[in-house]
This record gives sequence, structure tokens and C-alpha cells, in this order.
Amino acid sequence: ETGVTQSPTHLIKTRGQQVTLRCSSQSGHNTVSWYQQALGQGPQFIFQYYREEENGRGNFPPRFSGLQFPNYSSELNVNALELDDSALYLCASTKGQLTDTQYFGPGTRLTVL
Amino acid sequence: AQSVTQPDIHITVSEGASLELRCNYSYGATPYLFWYVQSPGQGLQLLLKYFSGDTLVQGIKGFEAEFKRSQSSFNLRKPSVHWSDAAEYFCAVVGETSGSRLTFGEGTQLTVNP
Repeated sequence: ETGVTQSPTHLIKTRGQQVTLRCSSQSGHNTVSWYQQALGQGPQFIFQYYREEENGRGNFPPRFSGLQFPNYSSELNVNALELDDSALYLCASTKGQLTDTQYFGPGTRLTVL
Repeated sequence: AQSVTQPDIHITVSEGASLELRCNYSYGATPYLFWYVQSPGQGLQLLLKYFSGDTLVQGIKGFEAEFKRSQSSFNLRKPSVHWSDAAEYFCAVVGETSGSRLTFGEGTQLTVNP
């Protein structure tokens, strides 16, 4: 148990819809990162939030957006869903320093039909 | 840009045998290296990490890894594998210029035969 929780566990959407995924960070952590893990691949960095501000973004289009709240929990929003967005979405929390361990949640499995 | 290569997609070993999972990285400066394990339907659990100092690092569950700068490698080892070690293993790197974003390899799936 890492103390990082994600909801929902599973989600099924259709193309063109919008989805919101949620992540509660571990106590004392002010930084949350989101990763997309397609089937059979390693996780890919989407973006990171530090103290409610976006602090780095990977190679994902603008329809992937996020928020971080004052309690450091976070949301990942994806608009205009595409079939290729089907993946496991992982969030990870950390204290924010480069050498701090990132603790991962169990993930949300998104299926786009 | 930083990158990680895990040359072995799938490895099968017998229970009790030794294990070595390979990881090669590409990064221009000093890398910070990690090994994570992922069991089916679960998130990633950190096994060990290397930042500096002793190039042989010990982790949880009896795993160790050795950083070899000359070979740009960070291979994961375990002297005797248990059936519960069957999982997917990911090597990852963080660089000083990339913030704390992790760059992962494609993973190695480990099967343990009884």
C-alpha cells in the first residue's frame, strides 16, 4: 500500500466522450504526476503538478488536461476520446525533489469503444 | 533526450534459479535510476533506486542492481527466484534536466516455472 488512491478502478467510454480520472496523493506529498500505460508498454509521462501548477508536460495533445487541488489531490481530464486512449492511467505522488521516490496508485483502466 | 532500453521482453526462469534483467539507459549527465515491479492489475512498486555512491544497491525482496557507467547499464539481479517474483519489471530514469518525470523502458515480463 502506497497511500495513493485512484478512482474509478475501471471505466468504459465511447469515442468522442470526455472522462475525468481522480487521484489522491500520499500524505505530505505536494507533487502529482500522471502516466499513461498502453497494453504491453511502459508508462509514458503525461504531465506533473506541483502546488497546483503544471510543472512539466510530456508529448500529449492539449485534450489531456489536469488540475491539482489545495489538498494536493489531482484530476486528469481527457476530451474527445479516441480509441488509442484506451490504457491504464497511473498517478504517482512525491514530495517534489528530484531524488524523492514516486509512489504509484493502482491505476484506472480506461477502455474506449 | 533520455531513454531506457530493456532488451528482454520476456524471460522464463525456474524457481530457485538466479535472475538478471538487463537495462541500458541513454542520458548525457548523471542519471537517477530505478527499478519498479508491476503485478497484474496493480500499480508500480519501487524495488530499488540509485542516485550516487556505491554502485551496487540493495532493494526489497532480495533484489539488487549494479550501476555501470561505462556500459550505461543498471541490471537487476536476484540470486534465487521465488514463484511470487513472477511479474513485469520496469527500469526507469530521471535526469537533472527533466524534472522528476520518469522515463520507463518497455518492461520485461518474468515467468517463474515450478
